[in-house]
Amino acid sequence: NSKVIQTPRYLVKGQGQKAKMRCIPEKGHPVVFWYQQNKNNEFKFLINFQNQEVLQQIDMTEKRFSAECPSNSPCSLEIQSSEAGDSALYLCASSLGQANTEVFFGKGTRLTVV
Amino acid sequence: TQTVSQSDAHVTVFEGDSVELRCNYSYGGSIYLSWYIQHHGRGLQFLLKYYSGNPVVQGVNGFEAEFSKSDSSFHLRKASVHWSDSAVYFCAVSGSGGNYKPTFGKGTSLVVHP
Repeated sequence: NSKVIQTPRYLVKGQGQKAKMRCIPEKGHPVVFWYQQNKNNEFKFLINFQNQEVLQQIDMTEKRFSAECPSNSPCSLEIQSSEAGDSALYLCASSLGQANTEVFFGKGTRLTVV
Repeated sequence: TQTVSQSDAHVTVFEGDSVELRCNYSYGGSIYLSWYIQHHGRGLQFLLKYYSGNPVVQGVNGFEAEFSKSDSSFHLRKASVHWSDSAVYFCAVSGSGGNYKPTFGKGTSLVVHP
């Protein structure tokens, strides 16, 4: 069973507001991923970290999203100015980082932008 | 670039039936394949994986999957389904060599009638 902890489970924000969600990866996992899952079940990779360093991120993440994984603190993903299209399930995952190891997911934060 | 195709958006069966959920991938190098299950509105649970060795891999709850390099496939099977298996199933592929972020298919919704 996954031990990736995401908070909050639900988040409701108005357009233009900041939305921040947190993730505690499984203990000992240096790699953290963030995905956005839309209402059509499609996954969009947002960003991943190895320890505190960004490995990869998409353009959208660079412009409107900010994310970090500080040492000894939860990882976080923040949308600077929420838009209606940001309403989705945000999933955090962690792994040991080698290609042949499992990636474990948290239960997600469901963001609704009204 | 890695891609994943799940050709069946919906599969409906009855309890006790066998089921096969299809997954085809494209990737040029060594790959890591996995299946996840997602119950309505919740996070992903890891089912099973393949990286090397025996092409038939066993997972939790009686699921198994078979890797075929010639067909570029990694189909998921269960011999006898239960109503609690109703969920959305996602196939994922990760590359090696540092590009190990999973890419997901669009999912197959499995409905098991009692």
